[in-house]
Amino acid sequence: KNQVEQSPQSLIILEGKNCTLQCNYTVSPFSNLRWYKQDTGRGPVSLTIMTFSENTKSNGRYTATLDADTKQSSLHITASQLSDSASYICVVSENYGGSQGNLIFGKGTKLSVKP
Amino acid sequence: DADVTQTPRNRITKTGKRIMLECSQTKGHDRMYWYRQDPGLGLRLIYYSFDVKDINKGEISDGYSVSRQAQAKFSLSLESAIPNQTALYFCATSDSGEPGLGETQYFGPGTRLLVL
Repeated sequence: KNQVEQSPQSLIILEGKNCTLQCNYTVSPFSNLRWYKQDTGRGPVSLTIMTFSENTKSNGRYTATLDADTKQSSLHITASQLSDSASYICVVSENYGGSQGNLIFGKGTKLSVKP
Repeated sequence: DADVTQTPRNRITKTGKRIMLECSQTKGHDRMYWYRQDPGLGLRLIYYSFDVKDINKGEISDGYSVSRQAQAKFSLSLESAIPNQTALYFCATSDSGEPGLGETQYFGPGTRLLVL
């Protein structure tokens, strides 16, 4: 069964510190992996997307990595800010005949950044 | 103005009532989706539509129906609401995406529904 597991479920860090969120998946065949940020009371917003051939992608202070062999991804946040407080959702897409198929959503990691 | 809007943003209803959640988009996308989100669970797909004449069931379509009135509008109906349909509902849109990259979904702000 295709699954996406995220860890930790929640995380509290101090402003200015770095943190890393994990995503393990069993989705096969694989098309791409996205990280979304969901602020409280809002819809998710795409942060990064990586395909099979990419192993790192940055978006400002956010850096995502992908190891397609071990089926693991991480999202690293550098010099955290209070505005980084949100849920971070890992989404993996199936490869359907060369096109994107079903999206499998992780349950998210809730990050709280404290002053 | 927001590209994807949902109305209402909050709704309280009673068991057995029929309600409709509406979604509009100005992104010009053909594809639209309805998801529900429950605490501790990931987003789950209810229905999706790839164009005006195309409607497809998602993972959890039982108890729901949809209508694609136009390219820009996609409505979700609960014919007879029950308490376990209490959740946060999101509409999303996407285009066909870039070759090899797939599509990016753009989500609305959500509708918080409470069924008593």
